[in-house]
Amino acid sequence: QVQLVESGGGVVQPGRSLRLSCAVSGFTFSNYGMHWVRQAPGKGLEWVAVISYDGRNKYYADSVKGRFTISRDNSKNTLDLQMNSLRAEDTAVYYCAKGQWLLASYFDYWGQGTLVTVSS
Amino acid sequence: QSVLTQPPSVSAAPGQKVTISCSGSSSNIGNNYVSWYQQLPGTAPKLLIYENNRRPSGIPDRFSGSKSGTSATLGITGLQTGDEADYYCGTWDSSLSAWVFGGGTKLTVL
Repeated sequence: QVQLVESGGGVVQPGRSLRLSCAVSGFTFSNYGMHWVRQAPGKGLEWVAVISYDGRNKYYADSVKGRFTISRDNSKNTLDLQMNSLRAEDTAVYYCAKGQWLLASYFDYWGQGTLVTVSS
Repeated sequence: QSVLTQPPSVSAAPGQKVTISCSGSSSNIGNNYVSWYQQLPGTAPKLLIYENNRRPSGIPDRFSGSKSGTSATLGITGLQTGDEADYYCGTWDSSLSAWVFGGGTKLTVL
């Protein structure tokens, strides 16, 4: 069955960096786009970034552009999110989600999420 | 402020029907497929409807989706207490080159 397991969350000071990972199994990872979506405490879903199946194309939300970098390793079935210059407003549960071959398509599987808290 | 507009909350009695609207523009809903996600309390979101009106396997036909112009609608019939959740619409915005979600709608089954 499809599984997505995020890791790397924790408490970090403003301005510092954190790297999230998502380990996937149960499908041919290299065939699908992958997304990061976050949810601040008590708030709605906010899309963060997407990466194409081959890693060549990446898109970001304006709120994280220039600070976050999405990447993938198709040989290890892992998706990463490098988060730099973190701000208090980046505090959220971060979900990785499986997309489709077409980047503009839906997310059919989600991980359980990992909590990132940015606080001094 | 979300790019897609949803009502903050809807409510109905068990067994009744409810609809949740999602309003956008030509750069998102008007020219791209809409999907809907259900988030039960304390859990990750789950795909409910994709490509405007298609249901993944395992999703009961009590759930339906439709799209007209720059708006989409999620319908739920035969409401059950287990349907109490937050519901989100989402689509790609071609102008922003970004995925956008609605602000979410909290469904209460009275």
